[in-house]
Amino acid sequence: GIQVEQSPPDLILQEGANSTLRCNFSDSVNNLQWFHQNPWGQLINLFYIPSGTKQNGRLSATTVATERYSLLYISSSQTTDSGVYFCAVRRYSTLTFGKGTMLLVSP
Amino acid sequence: DAGVIQSPRHEVTEMGQEVTLRCKPISGHNSLFWYRQTMMRGLELLIYFNNNVPIDDSGMPEDRFSAKMPNASFSTLKIQPSEPRDSAVYFCASSLFEAGGSSTQYFGPGTRLLVL
Repeated sequence: GIQVEQSPPDLILQEGANSTLRCNFSDSVNNLQWFHQNPWGQLINLFYIPSGTKQNGRLSATTVATERYSLLYISSSQTTDSGVYFCAVRRYSTLTFGKGTMLLVSP
Repeated sequence: DAGVIQSPRHEVTEMGQEVTLRCKPISGHNSLFWYRQTMMRGLELLIYFNNNVPIDDSGMPEDRFSAKMPNASFSTLKIQPSEPRDSAVYFCASSLFEAGGSSTQYFGPGTRLLVL
């Protein structure tokens, strides 16, 4: 099956810092989503981004489908950004998740 | 919309007991997914339905697991008999699948299952 690799596995930031999370995938995909799992376990959909660039407030994402990677940018990080960020790719109708990047933003 | 609704939110049971997890997808969505999350294996797709029909159940771990979707607004995931290794968070998600279009999956809050 398709492989999804996320980096870095862990990240610690000071509040206000910027960060870039990466997702590499091993085959062509029909779509790609970024999720944030907050410390309470809730999975929140951030972006549906099979290609191109999208922005939502302090977050933005870019997917280069031809090179099989996606980047999630977090600017001016806040403590509420802490949690695990998952990249998930879809071939046909199923999502395959990466192992996630655990982010801790300290005050 | 209330989003995807799952019940119960927490379940503690003893080994050998039957466990039933419930999910109500977002109204109008035609695809429903059951996932399991553990520390060891991360997030795994167990089964997904399209228009109430099971399409891919290759992720269902074994015969102790079964899932049904009797109508567009309700699905169950049953484990019988339950075992301690089934302890996990079980997520239900739904989406509106349209050929060539967006099919963002929206997740419920999950059911935390502990089998003693």
